[in-house]
Amino acid sequence: QSVLTQPPSVSAAPGQKVTISCSGTSSNIGNDYVSWYQQLPGTAPKLVIYENNKRPSGIPDRFSGSKSGTSATLGITGLQTGDEADYYCGTSDSSLRARVFGGGTKLTVL
Amino acid sequence: EVRLVESGGGLVQPGGSLRLSCAASGFTFSKYWMHWVRQAPGKGLEWVANINQDGTDKYYVDSVKGRFTISRDNAKNSLFLQMDSLRADDTAVYYCARAASASLDYWGQGTLVTVSS
Repeated sequence: QSVLTQPPSVSAAPGQKVTISCSGTSSNIGNDYVSWYQQLPGTAPKLVIYENNKRPSGIPDRFSGSKSGTSATLGITGLQTGDEADYYCGTSDSSLRARVFGGGTKLTVL
Repeated sequence: EVRLVESGGGLVQPGGSLRLSCAASGFTFSKYWMHWVRQAPGKGLEWVANINQDGTDKYYVDSVKGRFTISRDNAKNSLFLQMDSLRADDTAVYYCARAASASLDYWGQGTLVTVSS
């Protein structure tokens, strides 16, 4: 069971918007930045959001992030079939002295 | 271009050992914390261990404490994970990743470790 809680799956039609939630506690999300990772089938994870809401170079502005208290959200607008992937949130946990991830959310673009 | 290339995975019997390596290039390796993250077949990401820039601070997930050892050689731009007393539930793809801006900004392609008799 993961320290951070994500929905197992979300889906939406091409061109639509989707949000993925990530819930934690005061010792993890409430205490540090949140990052988000995209894992396309058969590939390594790739950073898409860091420090809650910043995009690395090359990540389109269709991807956005936010954080409030002990929860964070990844948003993707203008969905494309190429966005179909597993998405993971991550942060550090001060109580565990460890890096922690959510269980992952499978995005299906119908 | 930042590049991380893992090697050393393979099939090992329960109780056996393996040493994973991660060759880094395209950045000043000695300036970054480095991590190992694993992913069991069909499962999510699990953080395994990390190490600071000069190798003096190391942290591990509870399930590998006392069995795995993370280390680095800054002169050779390399990260290592010595895995002893391997168990079936250590079977996973192991990724090395660079830490920056409170995130893991670059990941290798991974190396598969299979623990089975």
